[in-house]
Amino acid sequence: KAGVTQTPRYLIKTRGQQVTLSCSPISGHRSVSWYQQTPGQGLQFLFEYFSETQRNKGNFPGRFSGRQFSNSRSEMNVSTLELGDSALYLCASSPGQSHTEAFFGQGTRLTVV
Amino acid sequence: AQSVSQHNHHVILSEAASLELGCNYSYGGTVNLFWYVQYPGQHLQLLLKYFSGDPLVKGIKGFEAEFIKSKFSFNLRKPSVQWSDTAEYFCAVFSVQTGANNLFFGTGTRLTVIP
Repeated sequence: KAGVTQTPRYLIKTRGQQVTLSCSPISGHRSVSWYQQTPGQGLQFLFEYFSETQRNKGNFPGRFSGRQFSNSRSEMNVSTLELGDSALYLCASSPGQSHTEAFFGQGTRLTVV
Repeated sequence: AQSVSQHNHHVILSEAASLELGCNYSYGGTVNLFWYVQYPGQHLQLLLKYFSGDPLVKGIKGFEAEFIKSKFSFNLRKPSVQWSDTAEYFCAVFSVQTGANNLFFGTGTRLTVIP
């Protein structure tokens, strides 16, 4: 079956703009998590959604937000972009409520100039 | 503070050398442990996982890891590396006690294997 799909793969934005990233989980998976990956910092947890509800949020400013739709697809939005937001944003899907295994997409590479 | 530590940032080995990458975590209680690998230009893939039972777990591509509860460690090993093992390796922890369905990752170890 198809894996986790993230679009777009690459984005270049300027400071102050906003951006929306999309993630389609594996069919049947109801949990979607978002991570920010930067060199030297590893992966930092942003938020997790299950059945359209945000269950958990990491330590990121309110400029970072997300949502999940009834078909489990998820979007994350970053407003008022800063240079430091440049990173690889990864989406992961899991089958159910408790964590067994996360399947990752290839990510969206965001560059803020 | 709760954390996952990978002490080796960059490891360089020759082919056929043995590999051990360290991972320590500071979460108490029950944990699920994972090693992920990210090959250049590819997405994160699961190498192996530990939930319970035998503390020595075997994964794909000849990798294995040992969970030592008393040391809060989950080190990754491979007896003989290949050039194709060049990648970045991430240790991750899921803390059952926190109730949060997210993984806590280490900062990663970049492995370079020289032919």
